[in-house]
Amino acid sequence: GENVEQHPSTLSVQEGDSAVIKCTYSDSASNYFPWYKQELGKGPQLIIDIRSNVGEKKDQRIAVTLNKTAKHFSLHITETQPEDSAVYFCAAREVGNQFYFGTGTSLTVIP
Amino acid sequence: NAGVTQTPKFRVLKTGQSMTLLCAQDMNHEYMYWYRQDPGMGLRLIHYSVGEGTTAKGEVPDGYNVSRLKKQNFLLGLESAAPSQTSVYFCATNPIYSNQPQHFGDGTRLSIL
Repeated sequence: GENVEQHPSTLSVQEGDSAVIKCTYSDSASNYFPWYKQELGKGPQLIIDIRSNVGEKKDQRIAVTLNKTAKHFSLHITETQPEDSAVYFCAAREVGNQFYFGTGTSLTVIP
Repeated sequence: NAGVTQTPKFRVLKTGQSMTLLCAQDMNHEYMYWYRQDPGMGLRLIHYSVGEGTTAKGEVPDGYNVSRLKKQNFLLGLESAAPSQTSVYFCATNPIYSNQPQHFGDGTRLSIL
């Protein structure tokens, strides 16, 4: 099956700085890569996703890049704000519809 | 529009007791999943369903059973709870199309003493 690795496990940045979270996957058949944000006491919520036919996608301060050859994708958050503090998960989806998740990154934005 | 609703939100059980967690969705999604979330281990798939009347095992199915008698509901059962099943349980759904995200409930926090 698919194996998704996520780094770092914890990340602290100053408010206004950028944050980057990286994930690698093992199955070249994976074609969909969502990113989720999980706030304390809540379920994960989709913040951005990318499909295998696209190399980069942006949504305001958030961007995701995908390198299919190297089998890795990254989440970029610019101009971080305290409300960005949360746990972020990457995921990869196989053709057979099962999602595989990374182990999460706890992001702390220091005011 | 409620989306994905999990009940109960919290529960404390004694070892050996049984219980059922309910997931209800109003988005008419075909696929439903049960995950458990433990510190440092991300989300691990317990069981999933690709449609009414179907279920399949995920990564960590032992000690759990599931049923999907109606399209909108997915039940997770613990027949004889063990302390190792202390966790936060999340239900998720997504439509049949391959490149659509999952929608999650807010979780059930289960402690087994």
